[in-house]
Amino acid sequence: EDKVVQSPLSLVVHEGDTVTLNCSYEVTNFRSLLWYKQEKKAPTFLFMLTSSGIEKKSGRLSSILDKKELFSILNITATQTGDSAIYLCAVERDSNYQLIWGAGTKLIIKP
Amino acid sequence: DAGITQSPRYKITETGRQVTLMCHQTWSHSYMFWYRQDLGHGLRLIYYSAAADITDKGEVPDGYVVSRSKTENFPLTLESATRSQTSVYFCASSEWTGQSQPQHFGDGTRLSIL
Repeated sequence: EDKVVQSPLSLVVHEGDTVTLNCSYEVTNFRSLLWYKQEKKAPTFLFMLTSSGIEKKSGRLSSILDKKELFSILNITATQTGDSAIYLCAVERDSNYQLIWGAGTKLIIKP
Repeated sequence: DAGITQSPRYKITETGRQVTLMCHQTWSHSYMFWYRQDLGHGLRLIYYSAAADITDKGEVPDGYVVSRSKTENFPLTLESATRSQTSVYFCASSEWTGQSQPQHFGDGTRLSIL
């Protein structure tokens, strides 16, 4: 059965710290891996990764994919209270373009 | 740029009633999706649609009905609501370009069934 597992489930750090969120997957016919940030409402898109070893970067956030070991990480440097959110990882299957979602990592940044 | 809008934002109803959640997107995206989000389960796909008049079941379709007569609208109907359908419902859409495209989400409908 296809699955996506995120770790840790929750994380509390102080402002300015660097965090690494993990996403491992077992999905047949992998097509892409996506990261989303969810605050109080809709998940908002962060990154889409399709190739191993190529880092995607946006400001203080970056992400990389390892298709051999079947995982991705999301790094956030110099964290701010506005980074507090649930971070969701999803994997797209080639066969039907559906997304398989992880349960999310709840990140809390303390001032 | 209105994007994707869901209505209502909040809904309280009783078991056995029919309720319809609306989803409208202005991007002319081919694909549309309905998810429910519950604590401990994350996002689960209910139904999706690849184009007008084409719909298919997702992971948890039982008790739900969808239609897509126009590209921009994708309503979700609970024909006879049950307490287990209390949840937050998200609609999403994505382009079809032949390559992977991210899904973009509406703000959700919080549905409570008493």
